[in-house]
Amino acid sequence: KQEVTQIPAALSVPEGENLVLNCSFTDSAIYNLQWFRQDPGKGLTSLLLIQSSQREQTSGRLNASLDKSSGRSTLYIAASQPGDSATYLCAVIKKGNYGQNFVFGPGTRLSVLP
Amino acid sequence: DGGITQSPKYLFRKEGQNVTLSCEQNLNHDAMYWYRQDPGQGLRLIYYSQIVNDFQKGDIAEGYSVSREKKESFPLTVTSAQKNPTAFYLCASSIARGSTEAFFGQGTRLTVV
Repeated sequence: KQEVTQIPAALSVPEGENLVLNCSFTDSAIYNLQWFRQDPGKGLTSLLLIQSSQREQTSGRLNASLDKSSGRSTLYIAASQPGDSATYLCAVIKKGNYGQNFVFGPGTRLSVLP
Repeated sequence: DGGITQSPKYLFRKEGQNVTLSCEQNLNHDAMYWYRQDPGQGLRLIYYSQIVNDFQKGDIAEGYSVSREKKESFPLTVTSAQKNPTAFYLCASSIARGSTEAFFGQGTRLTVV
């Protein structure tokens, strides 16, 4: 059974720091991997999608990498800002007998202090 | 605007009542999903559907039911058999094949009173 973990569970950094969030998964037979942001009491906002054939994706100050063989993905946030404070979740997309579905990690709660 | 709409945003249920959460999308996506989120836990899959008139149980389907009569709609009913329904419910959709990027609604917070 696919399991997804995220380390650290919570992170607090001063504004301007570069930081790395980690996501690990147990089954490397994934289709894709997606990173999301969730603000308190809100739905999930898609940040980056990495196809299984890709090794990284970039969007603005965000860079996500994927290493299927080791079962790891990292989300790099450059020059963090207070507005980046949120919970960040990764999800692996796996293909089953009935289409595909998403398995989520528990998230990393990020606080960027002004 | 294209997207996923969940309603209501807040819902209160009395003990023994069934309630239905609405999820509508205009993204022309074939696949739709329902997840439950509890404090400090990741999202857990309740039900998902890859095509109209078909759906499958996820990891925690007991006490829930769904229907998929239209491509755009995937309502979730929380029945009285669900003993601990207080949670945040999230609906998502995606293309069934290809890029598989998922898009989420803003969620419904259900509270038992």
